[in-house]
Amino acid sequence: AAGVIQSPRHLIKEKRETATLKCYPIPRHDTVYWYQQGPGQDPQFLISFYEKMQSDKGSIPDRFSAQQFSDYHSELNMSSLELGDSALYFCASSARTSGHEQFFGPGTRLTVL
Amino acid sequence: KQEVTQIPAALSVPEGENLVLNCSFTDSAIYNLQWFRQDPGKGLTSLLLIQSSQREQTSGRLNASLDKSSGRSTLYIAASQPGDSATYLCAGPTTDSWGKLQFGAGTQVVVTP
Repeated sequence: AAGVIQSPRHLIKEKRETATLKCYPIPRHDTVYWYQQGPGQDPQFLISFYEKMQSDKGSIPDRFSAQQFSDYHSELNMSSLELGDSALYFCASSARTSGHEQFFGPGTRLTVL
Repeated sequence: KQEVTQIPAALSVPEGENLVLNCSFTDSAIYNLQWFRQDPGKGLTSLLLIQSSQREQTSGRLNASLDKSSGRSTLYIAASQPGDSATYLCAGPTTDSWGKLQFGAGTQVVVTP
């Protein structure tokens, strides 16, 4: 079965640089979510999109933005990177017809030096 | 605000023993509850989703129950195996949105041969 795809899997950036993370949801899933998981912490919700429209917003810094495109893939853009942004970033997708069970991708490990 | 708590934080059992993992949540109007498994540095694998109208869900050796009145969910893993060693997280939607998952801190399980 197809799963959520995230790219890149690993990313190393310097402080104040910009990073773009990509997510390809499971086909026919209508909702995409982004989560951030710091070292030793549980995942924290950042933002979600339902049918390409932003549906919910969590504790996402103003330096971050995200969008979902016409082909349903989503991108998380992170600017002015800080050391504290080093974390695992997960994308998840769900379908209304499946009770909104969220399926997570493998994550992108971002390291800010 | 939905708060999710998991006790114990860590658990070690010998192979073959049944595992019982507990999850508590504060908002009894929970939309659904999801159990995940996470291996170190890896993504989250969805194990079971229990809808608010359900009392339990089963998949193979896994059984999860949901008691909304007491704010509790329990994940049972029968006849544990060393391959079951991982961190198990439960998550439920926040009070203001069905899409924003609030995670517990997880229970780290070690199954010894």
